[in-house]
Amino acid sequence: GNSVTQMEGPVTLSEEAFLTINCTYTATGYPSLFWYVQYPGEGLQLLLKATKADDKGSNKGFEATYRKETTSFHLEKGSVQVSDSAVYFCALSDETGGFKTIFGAGTRLFVKA
Amino acid sequence: DGGITQSPKYLFRKEGQNVTLSCEQNLNHDAMYWYRQDPGQGLRLIYYSQIVNDFQKGDIAEGYSVSREKKESFPLTVTSAQKNPTAFYLCASSILSGAGSIYGYTFGSGTRLTVV
Repeated sequence: GNSVTQMEGPVTLSEEAFLTINCTYTATGYPSLFWYVQYPGEGLQLLLKATKADDKGSNKGFEATYRKETTSFHLEKGSVQVSDSAVYFCALSDETGGFKTIFGAGTRLFVKA
Repeated sequence: DGGITQSPKYLFRKEGQNVTLSCEQNLNHDAMYWYRQDPGQGLRLIYYSQIVNDFQKGDIAEGYSVSREKKESFPLTVTSAQKNPTAFYLCASSILSGAGSIYGYTFGSGTRLTVV
């Protein structure tokens, strides 16, 4: 079945550091891939997405590239801010999963001033 | 503005009591979902619905029930059969296409349920 694996947290960085959160997936079809962000006490928000191989999703300085050859969708940001502190979830969806989205376990990011 | 509204934000349940969590969306989305999130954990799917008057069990449906009488509404009832209901509950919706939920989910702000 489909699955998503992302790096365990927490990840602690200083402000303006480079961020990478790794995400790999297993899927039988041709999934769409997503990154969601959850701030404390809130629901998840869609951060970015990519629907086919080699697509790059981007938003608010975050980027992720759909790599079919390595089945990966790593999240990157060149310079993090304290306000980026949150939990980040990688996810996939395709028709073989019955239109359900499979979420990774989440990676908590702390950014220090 | 379009979105998903969950209510209440906080809910307290006594032992043996049924409680219902509300979820309403004005996005005209086809599908709706309920997830449970425990502290420091990921999301676990409780129930989902792709069309009105139809819904399917997710991975942890035992002790929960849902209805989908209107496209906009997907209430979740936590029954007394759910032995450990304390958690953060998230409702979501999505447009469906032939390739799955390619547009992603819109989430509500959640309901925190505590057993007292």
